[in-house]
Amino acid sequence: QKEVEQDPGPLSVPEGAIVSLNCTYSNSAFQYFMWYRQYSRKGPELLMYTYSSGNKEDGRFTAQVDKSSKYISLFIRDSQPSDSATYLCALRNNNNDMRFGAGTRLTVKP
Amino acid sequence: DARVTQTPRHKVTEMGQEVTMRCQPILGHNTVFWYRQTMMQGLELLAYFRNRAPLDDSGMPKDRFSAEMPDATLATLKIQPSEPRDSAVYFCASGSARDNRYNEQFFGPGTRLTVL
Repeated sequence: QKEVEQDPGPLSVPEGAIVSLNCTYSNSAFQYFMWYRQYSRKGPELLMYTYSSGNKEDGRFTAQVDKSSKYISLFIRDSQPSDSATYLCALRNNNNDMRFGAGTRLTVKP
Repeated sequence: DARVTQTPRHKVTEMGQEVTMRCQPILGHNTVFWYRQTMMQGLELLAYFRNRAPLDDSGMPKDRFSAEMPDATLATLKIQPSEPRDSAVYFCASGSARDNRYNEQFFGPGTRLTVL
């Protein structure tokens, strides 16, 4: 079993839809949770980060962490074609060990 | 505009040849990471440096891969001899462990390696 599981998709939604992206993990040592966005042929860029259970909102993006279930989510409201990218979850422990999910490829159709 | 730079952006080589990839981290950053990304395995950490010292290279095949930081402005990843299974996109990322609670990593554009 991988430490971080993420459905690779692909996921295709119409413009304006709400998108839900998810990761599960097995190691409770992970304390920091991040979402990276990667456009085609580019490097990943940090989108959101959090370290506690609960929700964190930033514009159209909401990151949700449930440590008890070892489950993290990223919600995108009013999705736009410019949101089309691969989204990777990333988890880090206090020893700076970082693990990435496989990435979910999202396409938002106009 | 501070960013991580990587060279070359693309490399096609034949099996058995030596490949050297270079990375210039963002000025002032003291952590450097090398990752390999493939469709099958996703993003895998190969090596991690802090203040130019290697802290973790457990993800790197030691028999053919080597990573170094000759100085604070240059990190190198070398494959010798290269094999077709090394074909992937190699990313370098840098960060500042001093003042960044989340150790945000800033990724370069990657080197797309094809070994024939």
